[in-house]
Amino acid sequence: AQSVTQLGSHVSVSEGALVLLRCNYSSSVPPYLFWYVQYPNQGLQLLLKYTTGATLVKGINGFEAEFKKSETSFHLTKPSAHMSDAAEYFCAVSLGSNYKLTFGKGTLLTVNP
Amino acid sequence: AAGVIQSPRHLIKEKRETATLKCYPIPRHDTVYWYQQGPGQDPQFLISFYEKMQSDKGSIPDRFSAQQFSDYHSELNMSSLELGDSALYFCASSPPRTGEQYFGPGTRLTVT
Repeated sequence: AQSVTQLGSHVSVSEGALVLLRCNYSSSVPPYLFWYVQYPNQGLQLLLKYTTGATLVKGINGFEAEFKKSETSFHLTKPSAHMSDAAEYFCAVSLGSNYKLTFGKGTLLTVNP
Repeated sequence: AAGVIQSPRHLIKEKRETATLKCYPIPRHDTVYWYQQGPGQDPQFLISFYEKMQSDKGSIPDRFSAQQFSDYHSELNMSSLELGDSALYFCASSPPRTGEQYFGPGTRLTVT
């Protein structure tokens, strides 16, 4: 079984500030980890993923995440927030290829001018 | 690049009616997934198909059924609709051996 906890249902940052969205997971096997972004009334877009190998993964739009097994974490960061980053972000875990995704409750990111 | 196609995008039904949602996965993707996202909620897994065979089942009501056809498109059939079925329904597909899932734009079902 697997689960995801996203700390903070709402994060607010100023434009140009660091973005840090927290995700902790629980998995009975080495997990596949993902971050998705969802804009209002749209589908989910894959930002980045971790399966195996390098623990620091880079994604689209300047986002990156680091897999820390000892902390069971997969936090999402971006050095400088843009107004266009305002959206809902979901962390997700799966057991591997062809397995369902289990999502966290999501974090709404607000970017203030 | 080709994306997952879902139809219809919006659907309004009355209680106890039936709805059929369609999904056309990205070509050469071998797995299709269905998720339900209620208002302000995270997506919940319903069912998946690997190479046209049902591969996993989540919290899908018995009133719902799904299948994948020979051309790889999938349909989610929902009967005896209830007010609580109002939600966004997403289809996703994944290429072989990557674990990545690519989501369609969703079908917004409103049950009145």
